[in-house]
Parts: sequence; C-alpha cells; structure tokens
Amino acid sequence: GQQVMQIPQYQHVQEGEDFTTYCNSSTTLSNIQWYKQRPGGHPVFLIQLVKSGEVKKQKRLTFQFGEAKKNSSLHITATQTTDVGTYFCAGPSSGGSNYKLTFGKGTLLTVNP
Amino acid sequence: EAGVVQSPRYKIIEKKQPVAFWCNPISGHNTLYWYLQNLGQGPELLIRYENEEAVDDSQLPKDRFSAERLKGVDSTLKIQPAELGDSAVYLCASSLEVGEKGEQFFGPGTRLTVL
Repeated sequence: GQQVMQIPQYQHVQEGEDFTTYCNSSTTLSNIQWYKQRPGGHPVFLIQLVKSGEVKKQKRLTFQFGEAKKNSSLHITATQTTDVGTYFCAGPSSGGSNYKLTFGKGTLLTVNP
Repeated sequence: EAGVVQSPRYKIIEKKQPVAFWCNPISGHNTLYWYLQNLGQGPELLIRYENEEAVDDSQLPKDRFSAERLKGVDSTLKIQPAELGDSAVYLCASSLEVGEKGEQFFGPGTRLTVL
C-alpha cells in the first residue's frame, strides 16, 4: 500500500534558526495536507497543496509541493518556541468514495529559547 | 463554533475489560473518522463514516473493535475485550466534505491505558 515517509524524525534547533521537514510518498498524490500537533495536543490542519510545484506561505511557514507530486516540504523561517510540536504530512491513498488519508510518522521539532 | 468533542479524555482499564469512547463531531460535518495514534506515530485510520454509513472499515480489527453512528451525528467506538497492545490515543475527526477538500478537524482524543 501507499507509504508516506518523513524526515527527519526529530529536529532540535535554537530559537531563530530555520527548520525544514520533508515528506515523500511512494505514489503520486492528488494533494497533500500538513498538520501540526503540539505536545499533548491533537493534530491541527495547517494547509492543503493541490497543484504540481505549488508554493504557499503562512507567515514564517512555507509549504511546497513537488513537480512530480510525490514529495513536499515545510520550511519555517526563524523558529520560535511556539513552533514546538510534531509536523505531519498526509496524502490520500485513493480518490472518490475510497478517499483515505495516510499520515507520515511526523517530525518532532523542539526549539531551545 | 464548538470543535470535535470526545470523552473520556483518559481511561485506564485492565486487560480483557471492555471500553467505549464517544465522539460528537462539528455540527454539520457528515464525515466522521476514528483514528488510532501510537506514541511517535501518525494517526492511522480505523473507520470512516459518511452520515450513518461506515464506508471504510478495512483497518478496524473487527474481532474486538466495533463502532456505530446510529443517527449520523455522534459516534461510539468500542473495544471488547481490550488487550495490552490497545494502549494508545484514539482520535476522532470530522470533515465537512470528503476527498480533495476534506480538511479534517480532530478532537482532543482519548488516551487509553490497558494494564
């Protein structure tokens, strides 16, 4: 079945440093979603990318969808302590009524103030 | 707008006991999901409902797990009997639409510990 892999598994940065997490799918994706889960919290939707090569920005966060629609990245500029959490990418395994999101294992970001 | 509500938030039981989790989705969301999340892992889908119909339960271990959404609103997930390996967080999520526009809203989850 479809696999969604994320690297790195963990990333520790000093506040103010940049951070990037990468997501790779074993199959071509129609879209990709990103979620953030704070420690002890639940996943919260951040964004959805649909188009090949799409780039979207949310303040200090930049999301990119690969040209082949098999990979994606999330880049955070000048991290803050509020960015701490696990970032998950998720891709659909199939379309229509069988729509199902497969989540990666996530990247845990810790920020040293 | 109220979010997805789940109860209980925490549950500790002994193995072989039954346990049930309850979820009330966001009002108007026809699609409801139950996920299992183990420590250090992403959520894994157990079952998806469209209104009261379970349209994808392929990942639900049906020998011990069951779920229902009788009136197409709130839902219950049950485990009977529970095993040690069932210790995890059980997340409920809902979405207004399924498919390409299906942003999912997650509840706070129920942390289950089986002793």
